[in-house]
Amino acid sequence: SAVISQKPSRDICQRGTSLTIQCQVDSQVTMMFWYRQQPGQSLTLIATANQGSEATYESGFVIDKFPISRPNLTFSTLTVSNMSPEDSSIYLCSVISGGAYEQYFGPGTRLTVT
Amino acid sequence: EDKVVQSPLSLVVHEGDTVTLNCSYEVTNFRSLLWYKQEKKAPTFLFMLTSSGIEKKSGRLSSILDKKELFSILNITATQTGDSAVYLCAVGMYSGGGADGLTFGKGTHLIIQP
Repeated sequence: SAVISQKPSRDICQRGTSLTIQCQVDSQVTMMFWYRQQPGQSLTLIATANQGSEATYESGFVIDKFPISRPNLTFSTLTVSNMSPEDSSIYLCSVISGGAYEQYFGPGTRLTVT
Repeated sequence: EDKVVQSPLSLVVHEGDTVTLNCSYEVTNFRSLLWYKQEKKAPTFLFMLTSSGIEKKSGRLSSILDKKELFSILNITATQTGDSAVYLCAVGMYSGGGADGLTFGKGTHLIIQP
């Protein structure tokens, strides 16, 4: 499976600021996704990061709050904008490589908003 | 609305016991069911099941899917303290654009006591 890294691994931010999370894969992948895991909850899909075009967002998530870029087949960023304490979560990127549809996750970014 | 339900939500057993974790689903355009183990931040991939009745096995872990009754089970035999984790079930669906992101259940928090 692909090796996935995320930066930063954790951060503490003040409300009203923005944070950009990077996801890097060691090989070209077909699909990339961003998920959120709020404290004590399961994972929720935020969006599909589409290479060369706008991301596809799930219900309840909007581009102005969570802008996503995917400039190539190995890299994507998620920005959490105008943060509030409710944005405190673990943010995870995941990838599908090839046609098997097995989905693998990066190590996650733990975000705390004060 | 797509739904993935796991049971039990928590389980405490003694080392050496065998456990069975359950996952039922109601989704449109089912493609695959995946099991993950989550200990800290990143879910670790265990199995992906697409065909009914075919058991997947890895060491002491095994899983099977019943597409008629819309459920899957994850079995862990001869449990060890290192098996303590949250086990997540997720379902992938077909979409017009290819692979969708996953819909997750709430997870089963498994604790193995020495």
